[in-house]
Amino acid sequence: EIVMTQSPATLSVSPGERATLSCRASQSVSSNLAWYQQKPGQAPRLLIYGASTRATGIPARFSGSGSGTEFTLTISSLQSEDFAVYYCQQYNNWPPSDTFGQGTKLEIK
Amino acid sequence: EVQLVESGGGLIQPGGSLRLSCAASGFTVSSNYMSWVRQAPGKGLEWVSVIYSGGSTYYADSVKGRFTISRDNSKNTLYLQMNSLRAEDTAVYYCARKRLAAAGQPGAFDYWGQGTLVTVSS
Repeated sequence: EIVMTQSPATLSVSPGERATLSCRASQSVSSNLAWYQQKPGQAPRLLIYGASTRATGIPARFSGSGSGTEFTLTISSLQSEDFAVYYCQQYNNWPPSDTFGQGTKLEIK
Repeated sequence: EVQLVESGGGLIQPGGSLRLSCAASGFTVSSNYMSWVRQAPGKGLEWVSVIYSGGSTYYADSVKGRFTISRDNSKNTLYLQMNSLRAEDTAVYYCARKRLAAAGQPGAFDYWGQGTLVTVSS
């Protein structure tokens, strides 16, 4: 099983500042990596797929980078609606067995 | 507009069975890769199962042999039959569509339902 590890577990940032979230895979997942945002009581929302491609309707302040085992989600200027939990997910392995990171909670400082 | 609507959750005793449904609109279930993903209360996301457009099915080790994913093409609906339920199966269950990645392989989850809560308790 590919283990996904996110850091930090909690990130406190002020509105308008930049947030950088990390995700590490226990083995290479190439660019088969996605990021999701989840707010309380809601389903996850796809932000980034293919490690760096924004999903439809996602603002340009969200960007993803990395390949192999190290990935980063950057939110360039935090808005109030961005405070949520963020998950990374790999979808690289065969037979299929997607795995998620444990999540990073982005909270208002 | 793409929509996924789950139903069938509820309170069930350990060892019992439950069938979840996910009614899709705006696209054809049988032409897509469809999955179930669950989230235990206060915990993270866990992939449960996937059914490919060709009908192949795959499961997480934690549910293999107990859960069965299927679809009804005439109803454009995805199902998850859950047998021999355990307390650790308690979670919100989401159905989700996988977008097509490079070379037509299954990619990230681009659409999600609102989820249905399954509680396994005596």
